[in-house]
Amino acid sequence: DAKTTQPTSMDCAEGRAANLPCNHSTISGNEYVYWYRQIHSQGPQYIIHGLKNNETNEMASLIITEDRKSSTLILPHATLRDTAVYYCIVRGGNAGNNRKLIWGLGTSLAVNP
Amino acid sequence: DTGVSQDPRHKITKRGQNVTFRCDPISEHNRLYWYRQTLGQGPEFLTYFQNEAQLEKSRLLSDRFSAERPKGSFSTLEIQRTEQGDSAMYLCASSLSPPSTGTQYFGPGTRLTVL
Repeated sequence: DAKTTQPTSMDCAEGRAANLPCNHSTISGNEYVYWYRQIHSQGPQYIIHGLKNNETNEMASLIITEDRKSSTLILPHATLRDTAVYYCIVRGGNAGNNRKLIWGLGTSLAVNP
Repeated sequence: DTGVSQDPRHKITKRGQNVTFRCDPISEHNRLYWYRQTLGQGPEFLTYFQNEAQLEKSRLLSDRFSAERPKGSFSTLEIQRTEQGDSAMYLCASSLSPPSTGTQYFGPGTRLTVL
């Protein structure tokens, strides 16, 4: 599975949009981009995933560049409860025996009042 | 709540003791994963089940570790003769098989402290 690169930490003001970048320059055609977050001492929480097109759900939007080598997770109106470590993971399709997730260190997002 | 559940949430044990953790996946999910996470690191894959079959084990899973999923529903992870290096958060996740994209949903984790 492809490797991802994320900034170690970011800050965001409460109520503003948080834009979290991720580079995945070696991504291959059948690999999805997944985002999870982990609030301190809790299990990871699934946020969103995408293949080629931009995606939006009730939590966030995912913007994937046309060449698919990078993506941005957007939290449109960050709140204090969005303070967490955000992980960007590239993973192959679900066919095949094992689609384990390979995690990096993520981006520690601090939302400030 | 129909999410992934794990029990216990916290476990403190003395070095050399055996511990067992339980994971109950989302009911219709036939894939189940175990991960381990140490402080400041991302989760690391340990092992994976499809139904009751254990299909892959990481090199991290030493002989002291064993996982089972006897009826393809809940799973247990046992650590024998615990060592201080086993102190970590143990995470369980579940997902559907193809044709689903296989998004993994995680439980709250079991935090193990070995004294």
